Amino acid sequence: KAGVTQTPRYLIKTRGQQVTLSCSPISGHRSVSWYQQTPGQGLQFLFEYFSETQRNKGNFPGRFSGRQFSNSRSEMNVSTLELGDSALYLCASSSLGAGGSTDTQYFGPGTRLTVL
Amino acid sequence: GESVGLHLPTLSVQEGDNSIINCAYSNSASDYFIWYKQESGKGPQFIIDIRSNMDKRQGQRVTVLLNKTVKHLSLQIAATQPGDSAVYFCAENLQGAQKLVFGQGTRLTINP
Repeated sequence: KAGVTQTPRYLIKTRGQQVTLSCSPISGHRSVSWYQQTPGQGLQFLFEYFSETQRNKGNFPGRFSGRQFSNSRSEMNVSTLELGDSALYLCASSSLGAGGSTDTQYFGPGTRLTVL
Repeated sequence: GESVGLHLPTLSVQEGDNSIINCAYSNSASDYFIWYKQESGKGPQFIIDIRSNMDKRQGQRVTVLLNKTVKHLSLQIAATQPGDSAVYFCAENLQGAQKLVFGQGTRLTINP
């Protein structure tokens, strides 16, 4: 079974631009979560989607948004980019059902975003 | 790698020795705990997990111990190999929420 895939792997943008990152979960997984990883803050939760609905959200400004499609693929968008948005953005999927129990999250390789 | 920077705890062990990586978690309501390994240029890789109704779980060369009284988690790696060199993260998941809270990570270095 193929793992979580993320595109693009690398991205360079300038301040003020916006960016869209894509994530394809493991086949059959319906929950997709996004994380930001930086040297200063470590790994931080952005949001989680299940059945096209955002169920959980981290403490990030509204410039960070996401969505999930009917095939469970997900995108996240960052608008009005700032230098501090430079980070590795990681997507994780799990086979979590709708009952609320937790399940293992499997990560993709990440998208390295550099904001100049 | 792309993990935490200057203040990342480090652990150096001799090849063939056992490694123990420790982690303190923060939320008493967390019911699921995971250890991940992250190599340079890669995303976190699942190693082993444990639920709050257990205090020990073993995998291949790895053991996770959970002490809920002091909110402490540890990862033991037996007969450490060069391929074990990486940054190791513990993560906790709050009951009912698919939302991982990660520790700062520990960089494990294997000496030949």
